[in-house]
Amino acid sequence: SYELTQPPSVSVSPGETARITCSGDVLTKQYVHWYQQKPGQAPVVVIYKDSERPSGIPERFSGSRSGTTVTLTISGVQAEDEADYHCQSGDSTSTNEVFGGGTKLTVL
Amino acid sequence: QLQLQESGPGLVKPSETLSLTCSVSGDSISSSSYYWGWVRQSPGKGLEWIVTIYYSGSAYSNPSLKSRVTTSVDTSKNQFSLRLSSVTAADTAVYYCAELQRFGEFSYFGPWGHGTLVTVSS
Repeated sequence: SYELTQPPSVSVSPGETARITCSGDVLTKQYVHWYQQKPGQAPVVVIYKDSERPSGIPERFSGSRSGTTVTLTISGVQAEDEADYHCQSGDSTSTNEVFGGGTKLTVL
Repeated sequence: QLQLQESGPGLVKPSETLSLTCSVSGDSISSSSYYWGWVRQSPGKGLEWIVTIYYSGSAYSNPSLKSRVTTSVDTSKNQFSLRLSSVTAADTAVYYCAELQRFGEFSYFGPWGHGTLVTVSS
């Protein structure tokens, strides 16, 4: 098995930039996808394949990679962005999926 | 636009089997382009992948749960199901079904059902 590591929490003020990282050895060969989850709701993908943004997701959401660390960046954070963010990837066989532990984004 | 809805008992006794069904609307579950998945989230915790299911019935399970997981697909009802045996309190979670978007070299989940809370307690 393998693991994806995220910081438990990130806090930013409105209008600032939030950066949430996801790291793991498997990420040298696998893409990362990011989900936003608000309380009582199902997750919604906000970034897939490291940096692709699905239709309907605001442009302030972006993704980038540096080696085995992938970063979700939210520029100009708004109060509505307060949520849990989860990263997800596949293992080397591409049949098993794994999630990071999740990061709670607090907008101060 | 696909829509998914989980259903099943909200309370299961320890050592018994948890059974959940996901009903899919908006397209046929038997389309060869679809993969399906179950993901759970224990209270206050992160997401945990349980299993990926192909419409044909083949499945890939989380190694930590594999010995207890059984899946099935009912194309006549446009549903797929999860059974998790020998449950304990650690299996208490919100269980989500979702479509798994597969693109060969990567896969991600979406859309998701709303989730259903299953509590394991006597």
